[in-house]
Amino acid sequence: GAVVSQHPSWVICKSGTSVKIECRSLDFQATTMFWYRQFPKQSLMLMATSNEGSKATYEQGVEKDKFLINHASLTLSTLTVTSAHPEDSSFYICSATRQGGARSKNEQFFGPGTRLTVL
Amino acid sequence: QKEVEQNSGPLSVPEGAIASLNCTYSDRGSQSFFWYRQYSGKSPELIMFIYSNGDKEDGRFTAQLNKASQYVSLLIRDSQPSDSATYLCAAGGSQGNLIFGKGTKLSVKP
Repeated sequence: GAVVSQHPSWVICKSGTSVKIECRSLDFQATTMFWYRQFPKQSLMLMATSNEGSKATYEQGVEKDKFLINHASLTLSTLTVTSAHPEDSSFYICSATRQGGARSKNEQFFGPGTRLTVL
Repeated sequence: QKEVEQNSGPLSVPEGAIASLNCTYSDRGSQSFFWYRQYSGKSPELIMFIYSNGDKEDGRFTAQLNKASQYVSLLIRDSQPSDSATYLCAAGGSQGNLIFGKGTKLSVKP
């Protein structure tokens, strides 16, 4: 159990367009979902934390108007990169914590990631 | 600032040897600690978590926690080339989040 999916797994888009990435918990209800970004050979960087039905909490330096997060249900969160530019090219990874029954409330289950390339 | 520190490596060990990965954390309030493995181009996958002082063993992996020293380690016995990856240490935060270290790159040489 505790499977998280992401869609798409990779996307190439033109500069100036918007890209939506979906994160779904397939077999559990996610208390909280997290969005990370990882540039090549660099560490995971937390972008934002989202709870179902609430506004996302963004980390310092992350533009909330550029990276729109919607957490409409306990199994789905979306990240929209608006007006994407080449510097937004990165590996975007979501994770989720499980509501109830988790060995630790902090345990995060990661999606497989989405590789975004902006031309 | 709550932080988790890891040596970035690379840590190189021969096949069959024990790999020892270390991590320190700054927040004494952290109750749970996690080791994730991340292969290049892939997302992290959980290896183990630990919340009690002492050792916790799972197959070839042993996690060790010393809350007094704010120190967590991961030992990998009989290291295999397939263990070559970046290992991320994380401490549980009070908001249900994880505070990640920057990771240690492990290379197991055949």
